[in-house]
Order: sequence, then C-alpha cells, then structure tokens
Amino acid sequence: DAKTTQPTSMDCAEGRAANLPCNHSTISGNEYVYWYRQIHSQGPQYIIHGLKNNETNEMASLIITEDRKSSTLILPHATLRDTAVYYCIVRVAGSGGSNYKLTFGKGTLLTVNP
Amino acid sequence: KAGVTQTPRYLIKTRGQQVTLSCSPISGHRSVSWYQQTPGQGLQFLFEYFSETQRNKGNFPGRFSGRQFSNSRSEMNVSTLELGDSALYLCARQVSYEQYFGPGTRLTVT
Repeated sequence: DAKTTQPTSMDCAEGRAANLPCNHSTISGNEYVYWYRQIHSQGPQYIIHGLKNNETNEMASLIITEDRKSSTLILPHATLRDTAVYYCIVRVAGSGGSNYKLTFGKGTLLTVNP
Repeated sequence: KAGVTQTPRYLIKTRGQQVTLSCSPISGHRSVSWYQQTPGQGLQFLFEYFSETQRNKGNFPGRFSGRQFSNSRSEMNVSTLELGDSALYLCARQVSYEQYFGPGTRLTVT
C-alpha cells in the first residue's frame, strides 16, 4: 500500500468546516483513498473512500486532486463529537491482494473547539 | 452501523494467564478480522477468518490464536500473557470495500 502523509494535529471551531489534507504522491492507479477516524479508545469508524472522482456522503466529502497525489477530507459543519484521530489510507479495493488488512499511520488529531 | 459486538469491553489479567475475547458480526457476515492497537505500534493485523477458515495471518507469535464458528462469531485467544500484550483488541467485519470495527476490548496485563 502507498504511504500517506498527514499533519499531526489540527484545530477547528465548532460549526466551521474542517479540511483535513493527505498527501499520497506514490499512489498507484488501482489504489483507492480511504478515510477512517477513531474517537478516543473506540474502534475505528469508516468515513468515506474514492478513486478519482470527488465523493460525498452523510458524514463528509472527499476531494481528490486530478493527479491523485493528494486529497482533502471535508467535514462541512464540525461538532465537538468530531474530535478524533483521522486516518488517510491508500489501498487496493476489492477482495483480492492485501485488502484483508488495514494499516494505519499516525493520522491527524482533529480537535474541534467550542 | 458497525454491526460488530465485542465482549468483554474491558479486561484485566495477570502476566502468564490466558485470555479469550469474543467478536460477533451481525448475521450473514462471514469475514472477520482481528487487530491489535497500541500507542507505540499503532494498528496491527492479527488474522482474518472467512467461513470458519483462517484466510490470512499477521506476524504475531503462536501465543495468539483464533477461530470462527458456523454462526460467524469469532474468538481470539492469547496464552501466557505478557505485559506487552496490553492493548485495544479490535474486530472488524468486511463489507464490500470497507471494514466496520467493533468497539474493541481493552486488555490490561499486570
């Protein structure tokens, strides 16, 4: 799986948009960008994933640059409950290859302030 | 939405003892993966079961073992506990391209 680089920490005011960047300059053509988050001492939570088009779901939006070397996770209206460590991962999707396991890096600690 | 139940949530054991952790995915989900998470090592893959068969295994010593039952429930066993086994043990079910995690079992070895 390609390596990712994320800032160690970020702050965001409650109610504002949180924009979390991720660099993945060595991403391969068949690798997807995934985002998970983990609230302190809980299990990781899947947020969103995408290949090359921007994606949106009820939790967040994922913006992937045209060259696919970086992406941004957007939480449109951050709340205090969004305070968590956010992990950006690039990996091959589907049931083949090494898709059976996830590997998390250090992630970004997002702190949403009142 | 995770659809994974793990028991117990917290556990304290003494070095040298053995422990069994349980994971139950919601009905119909046959793939279960186990992970160990520690502050120093991060998230590390232990093993994956599919339809009662261990399909993949991570780089952990033989003290770590698991199994899966016909109802998809899975157990993980750690024998001869060491202090370094203190961690959050996570179970996940695979759905299409995503993995959904349970709340984890926090194991403390004293």
